[in-house]
Amino acid sequence: GAVVSQHPSWVICKSGTSVKIECRSLDFQATTMFWYRQFPKQSLMLMATSNEGSKATYEQGVEKDKFLINHASLTLSTLTVTSAHPEDSSFYICSAGRLAGGSSYNEQFFGPGTRLTVL
Amino acid sequence: ILNVEQSPQSLHVQEGDSTNFTCSFPSSNFYALHWYRWETAKSPEALFVMTLNGDEKKKGRISATLNTKEGYSYLYIKGSQPEDSATYLCAPTGYQKVTFGIGTKLQVIP
Repeated sequence: GAVVSQHPSWVICKSGTSVKIECRSLDFQATTMFWYRQFPKQSLMLMATSNEGSKATYEQGVEKDKFLINHASLTLSTLTVTSAHPEDSSFYICSAGRLAGGSSYNEQFFGPGTRLTVL
Repeated sequence: ILNVEQSPQSLHVQEGDSTNFTCSFPSSNFYALHWYRWETAKSPEALFVMTLNGDEKKKGRISATLNTKEGYSYLYIKGSQPEDSATYLCAPTGYQKVTFGIGTKLQVIP
C-alpha cells in the first residue's frame, strides 16, 4: 500500500496557541486528503475533506475557522488547530485518497496520527 | 452512511483459536466496504475492500464476506496469532463518503 506520513506524532501545547499538523503522501499523488478526529472510546469521525488547490469541505459541526486546512499540493495537506483549548485535545489522523471503483469511492491510506494535548 | 455497528467491541482469544467479528450497516446508498487493521502506534492498514453482494476476500489467514442486501460483513481470522492483535475497523462507503465503525479490539493471548 501507499505510505502516508504525519507529523508531529504527538504535541503538547498551552491553551490559546495554534498547532499545525502535516500530512504527506510519500509515494503517490493524492487527489483528496481527509482529516479525522477520534475521541476516547469513539470511532474515527471525519472532520473535513480537502482537494488540492480548493477549499476544504467541512463536516457538520466542525468549525472551519478553528480547524484550518490547507492542501497546497497533491502530496501535502496541513491541519492547523487555531487557539487550541483543552476540549480540542484528541487524536487527529489524516488519510490520502485515491479514487477507485470507477471513481465511486476513495481508497484511503492513513498516516499514523497525531496525539494533541492542550493544557 | 450512519449507524455502523461492530461487534464485539473487544475480545480475547487464545493463540491458535479462530474468531470472527461482525460489521452491520444500513444497506442503502452503499458503494463499498473496507476493513482495516489498526495496530497500536501504527497507521490503519487496509485489509480488504468489497463492493458486490456475496463478495468474499482472503488474505492469508484472514477472510471477509459481504452481504449488501442485509447490510453486514464478517471478518474471520483462522488460527489467531499474537501478531493479529489489533483493532479491526470496518468502513462502509457511500458515494465518496466513508463512515467508520468503532472497531473490534482483538487480543490474542500466547
